[in-house]
Amino acid sequence: GAVVSQHPSWVICKSGTSVKIECRSLDFQATTMFWYRQFPKQSLMLMATSNEGSKATYEQGVEKDKFLINHASLTLSTLTVTSAHPEDSSFYICSARGPYGGATYEQYFGPGTRLTVT
Amino acid sequence: GIQVEQSPPDLILQEGANSTLRCNFSDSVNNLQWFHQNPWGQLINLFYIPSGTKQNGRLSATTVATERYSLLYISSSQTTDSGVYFCAVAGYGQNFVFGPGTRLSVLP
Repeated sequence: GAVVSQHPSWVICKSGTSVKIECRSLDFQATTMFWYRQFPKQSLMLMATSNEGSKATYEQGVEKDKFLINHASLTLSTLTVTSAHPEDSSFYICSARGPYGGATYEQYFGPGTRLTVT
Repeated sequence: GIQVEQSPPDLILQEGANSTLRCNFSDSVNNLQWFHQNPWGQLINLFYIPSGTKQNGRLSATTVATERYSLLYISSSQTTDSGVYFCAVAGYGQNFVFGPGTRLSVLP
């Protein structure tokens, strides 16, 4: 149980285009979803959190107009990287968590999406 | 915010050896998890352990919240244990802060 999927697993796009990454909780309802970014040989850095039906809360230094997050349902969140540039190339990982106090209150992670902007 | 340290940063073991990974944190937490990131990038939940001791097969973990540290024990290591081990901590109502990780290589 508690499986999180991400799609696509890797994507290459041209500079200036937009890319959408999907994150789904497959077997539980995710009241909160998280988006992380990880550079090579570094730790995970939180970009934003979102609760279903609410606007995302972005961490300091993360441009909300560049990284659009939509948490449309209890099982789906999307991250859109708009007008991507080579410096946006990174490994993006989503995470989902169930309701407080429930069996799925831990954070469960998706397999990640490797984005390369050329 | 909470600071998280992990030691050692790198660890090389021969298959079959045991190891202890440490996570120190700077403030009280009510949430702590250990993760293993495999070579393909997938993070795998190992333990949800804000306090106490848990065991799962060859792995066990202990968190002493009052002293602000957690330990992850790996016994009889296997090559499939290779990867990066992260601890992540959170205060009440706060988001996770990840440690820098311990990179483990288990040699055959």
